Amino acid sequence: GENVEQHPSTLSVQEGDSAVIKCTYSDSASNYFPWYKQELGKGPQLIIDIRSNVGEKKDQRIAVTLNKTAKHFSLHITETQPEDSAVYFCAARAGYSSASKIIFGSGTRLSIRP
Amino acid sequence: EAGVAQSPRYKIIEKRQSVAFWCNPISGHATLYWYQQILGQGPKLLIQFQNNGVVDDSQLPKDRFSAERLKGVDSTLKIQPAKLEDSAVYLCASSGPLAVVDGYTFGSGTRLTVV
Repeated sequence: GENVEQHPSTLSVQEGDSAVIKCTYSDSASNYFPWYKQELGKGPQLIIDIRSNVGEKKDQRIAVTLNKTAKHFSLHITETQPEDSAVYFCAARAGYSSASKIIFGSGTRLSIRP
Repeated sequence: EAGVAQSPRYKIIEKRQSVAFWCNPISGHATLYWYQQILGQGPKLLIQFQNNGVVDDSQLPKDRFSAERLKGVDSTLKIQPAKLEDSAVYLCASSGPLAVVDGYTFGSGTRLTVV
């Protein structure tokens, strides 16, 4: 089955700097890669996703890149702000139907230093 | 639109007791998921429903966990009897027919502490 590994487990950056979180996946059939942000006491919230037919996607300060050959994908946050502090999860899914399940990484706790 | 509703938010029970969690998904979402999130880890899928049928329950400890989704809407997850290692946040999520486009929507979860 699919296995998703995520690094680093914790990350501290100065406000205004960039943060990068990296993930690798094992199932070459995976074609959908969402990223979730989880704030304290809340459920994970989808912030951006990328599909296997795209190499990069950007939404304001957030960007994701995908390298299918190497089976890794990354989240980039630029100009970090205090509200970016949270736990971030990468995930992967094989298949196109809602019956396909999403497998999550172990999470990265991002702290933004003022 | 209203989000995924879960209750209770918190529950503390003694080991060997039973507990139940409730989830109301987003209206019209046919697929419902229960995830277990142990502190410091990513969510792990326990069971997935498509309408009121089970799609995947391969990770559900069936000797103590059970779940149902009557009428294809609300769902309950039960643990009986609870063990200390069941302490976790139980997350419910739902997705519609455009799950590949929209992803999942999670509820805020139920934090279970077994003492």
